[in-house]
Order: sequence, then structure tokens, then C-alpha cells
Amino acid sequence: AQSVAQPEDQVNVAEGNPLTVKCTYSVSGNPYLFWYVQYPNRGLQFLLKYITGDNLVKGSYGFEAEFNKSQTSFHLKKPSALVSDSALYFCAVRDTNSGYALNFGKGTSLLVTP
Amino acid sequence: DARVTQTPRHKVTEMGQEVTMRCQPILGHNTVFWYRQTMMQGLELLAYFRNRAPLDDSGMPKDRFSAEMPDATLATLKIQPSEPRDSAVYFCASRPGTGGYEQYFGPGTRLTVT
Repeated sequence: AQSVAQPEDQVNVAEGNPLTVKCTYSVSGNPYLFWYVQYPNRGLQFLLKYITGDNLVKGSYGFEAEFNKSQTSFHLKKPSALVSDSALYFCAVRDTNSGYALNFGKGTSLLVTP
Repeated sequence: DARVTQTPRHKVTEMGQEVTMRCQPILGHNTVFWYRQTMMQGLELLAYFRNRAPLDDSGMPKDRFSAEMPDATLATLKIQPSEPRDSAVYFCASRPGTGGYEQYFGPGTRLTVT
């Protein structure tokens, strides 16, 4: 089965510092990978995706993610964190069994302190 | 700015009552998903439709949950009878028929069953 794992329940970072939210994947074949963000009392918002091509993917709000095939990872990064980046972040992988669904990780809560 | 809409945004009901949640996918999107989010289980896929046809509802408790798409602009999720363990946030998401597989989420319906 296609799955992702987010090993950290929470990540704390000071404003202005770089942030990394980790995601590893387990798939057969080429992975289609996604990052979403959820602010309190809101739905999930699409941030970025990796389908093919450049291993460094740029997305919304200054976020980027690095696809690493040898480490089966797709970590989300931002060079300088903002307090407003505090939210719940989900990694997801396309379910190739169905072709349509995404399998989501359990989420990582990011807290950026002033 | 095209968005997925969901109604109601909040619903409080008593155990045993019927609950109906509605979703309007983004115009032109032909694949619609229903998710449930709880603190304990995280984000769970309940069911999804493509071109209004149900493709997978294996995530749904069959005895009390039902999902339908009466037309291309409306998806419904019904719980009858509701139970306290159904308390959760229910999200609808949609995606277009072609493209990169990312899904666009609605704001959710927060259901509380007492």
C-alpha cells in the first residue's frame, strides 16, 4: 500500500529560523507526493506537489520541499519561519491502487514562536 | 476564486437523529471525496465519487452512513442514526478530471452528537 509517515507530532521553531517538517514515503513505483497545511478551524490547503522533474519543488507561501529518492523522503522546508506559519501540516501520497485518492500522514503541528 | 463549499458549518444534534451534510464541489471538478477528521484517528477517507458514480466507500460505516451525488454540483453525506462517536469534522474535497491529482478541500462541517 502507498503510505507516508510523519515522524514528528510537533515541531517548534523560532521566528526567522529555517524550518523543516519531515515526511517519508513507502510506495511501489514512482511516487506522487503532496503537502497540505491546515489552519485552525479551516480545511486543508494545497501547498505543493512532486510528480516528476526537479527534486526541489517550490510552493505557496514561500514553502518548498525536497524529494529524495534514496532516502524515500519529501521534507517540507522554509528558509525563514513566520509566526503565521503555525499550523498543522500534512504529507500525502497518491494511492496508485485507486488512482484517485490520496493517503495522508497523521500530520505535524508546527509552532513558530516570536 | 473557486472554492468547495459545505453546509452546515456546524451541527449539534442528539443521538439517534438523522444528519445530512452537503457539499458543492468546484465547478468542473468531477471527483469528489468525503473525509472525517478526529483527534484520535486523524484524517480518514470515507468515500469518493467520479463523474457522480461511487468508486469507493470502504471507509464508511455501511449500516449508518450513506453518500450520494444527486447531480454534479451537489454531494451529500448522511448519517442515520447518529451516535456520539460520529462527532468529528467532515470535509469534502474535489479535484478535476485531469491534472496533478491535488484535491481542494472545503471548510468542513463540525458535527457534535450528544
